[in-house]
Amino acid sequence: RKEVEQDPGPFNVPEGATVAFNCTYSNSASQSFFWYRQDCRKEPKLLMSVYSSGNEDGRFTAQLNRASQYISLLIRDSKLSDSATYLCAVNPSWGKLQFGAGTQVVVTP
Amino acid sequence: NAGVTQTPKFQVLKTGQSMTLQCAQDMNHEYMSWYRQDPGMGLRLIHYSVGAGITDQGEVPNGYNVSRSTTEDFPLRLLSAAPSQTSVYFCASSSSGSTGELFFGEGSRLTVL
Repeated sequence: RKEVEQDPGPFNVPEGATVAFNCTYSNSASQSFFWYRQDCRKEPKLLMSVYSSGNEDGRFTAQLNRASQYISLLIRDSKLSDSATYLCAVNPSWGKLQFGAGTQVVVTP
Repeated sequence: NAGVTQTPKFQVLKTGQSMTLQCAQDMNHEYMSWYRQDPGMGLRLIHYSVGAGITDQGEVPNGYNVSRSTTEDFPLRLLSAAPSQTSVYFCASSSSGSTGELFFGEGSRLTVL
């Protein structure tokens, strides 16, 4: 079993709709959580950190559920430019950030 | 605004050849790391460093060596390339090994024939 798992998708989303997806992690000692965005054949870039109380950045909302060991990302009012692969990242121990394989989101006109 | 710079961007090797992927950052980050990305596998940590002279193994270190003689540079050496090392390699740096944002280079696409 992978330590960080994501639904690979693709999630096909009409422009303006809401999409949400989760990422599960196996190490309960993990302390830091992140969502990265990766465009095709490009390097990953940090989208947002995920805090225990949940956090929002514009149209993006991230949640952490420690009891069930998953993090989630919700995108509201989807834009064509939101089409990308979203990678979750978990820090089970200092220096070792583990990534999921990514969830592909395709926003259609 | 150089950030993290990787060279080369593309490389084709024959089985058994050796090579070094270069990585340099100009953000004065203490933490640097190397990942490989394969389809369906996500990013996997190869080696990381928390400062000059200090390196440690990640998830998939076999077949790779690293050194960190300066804060800026963190080269990755393939000792004897194998087809299984065909991948996209990303170097990344951060101000922290746990809570800081990882800044990635543009990647190096390696094919081993």
